[in-house]
Amino acid sequence: EVQLVESGGVVVQPGGSLRLSCAASGFTFDDYAMHWVRQAPGKGLEWVSLISWDGGSTYYADSVKGRFTISRDNSKNSLYLQMNSLRAEDTALYYCAKDNDDSSNYMDVWGKGTTVTVSS
Amino acid sequence: SYELTQPPSVSVSPGQTARITCSGDALPKQYAYWYQQKPGQAPVLVIYKDSERPSGIPERFSGSSSGTTVTLTISGVQAEDEADYYCQSADSSGTSLVFGGGTKLTVL
Repeated sequence: EVQLVESGGVVVQPGGSLRLSCAASGFTFDDYAMHWVRQAPGKGLEWVSLISWDGGSTYYADSVKGRFTISRDNSKNSLYLQMNSLRAEDTALYYCAKDNDDSSNYMDVWGKGTTVTVSS
Repeated sequence: SYELTQPPSVSVSPGQTARITCSGDALPKQYAYWYQQKPGQAPVLVIYKDSERPSGIPERFSGSSSGTTVTLTISGVQAEDEADYYCQSADSSGTSLVFGGGTKLTVL
């Protein structure tokens, strides 16, 4: 069974840093690009970042560019999101999602998410 | 930045047909995808590449495209289809992905 399990979400102060992790299982992790998508409380979905199968290409939403870094460790079947200079508007449920391919640009499997709260 | 526009809400009676639209300037060049999200759950892909249906998704879900607008059609709507629906695509360069604002489907 394909499974994605996110972790690392906590309450953090504005300006702080946090690293989210996503453990993948049930598929050949290094065959696929991966995404982070977030959802603020009561709001819609927002794409955050994409990383290619080998980590060689990364893309970011303008709202997080320069503050967030996506990475992966294919030897550990894991995806990461390093979040720096956090703001109140980064408060959201963060989903890890599998791309359909290496560059299909859509998500065919989603995790259940991990909650990040930015508050003093 | 690139945007996709959806109606905030659509209401239909059981057994009727629901149509949810999504508009964006790059849609003639980029595929659209549709996700269903029920309260407290992660999104589920229901349509990919404008009109393809993943395995396990009921046949009553279909998608179409015309110019700068794509449409998700749910024929014979059932109570279990009540959910938020999001379209998703990419900008013209293909390097920035975007979701529409979401449409709440209410089954009366």
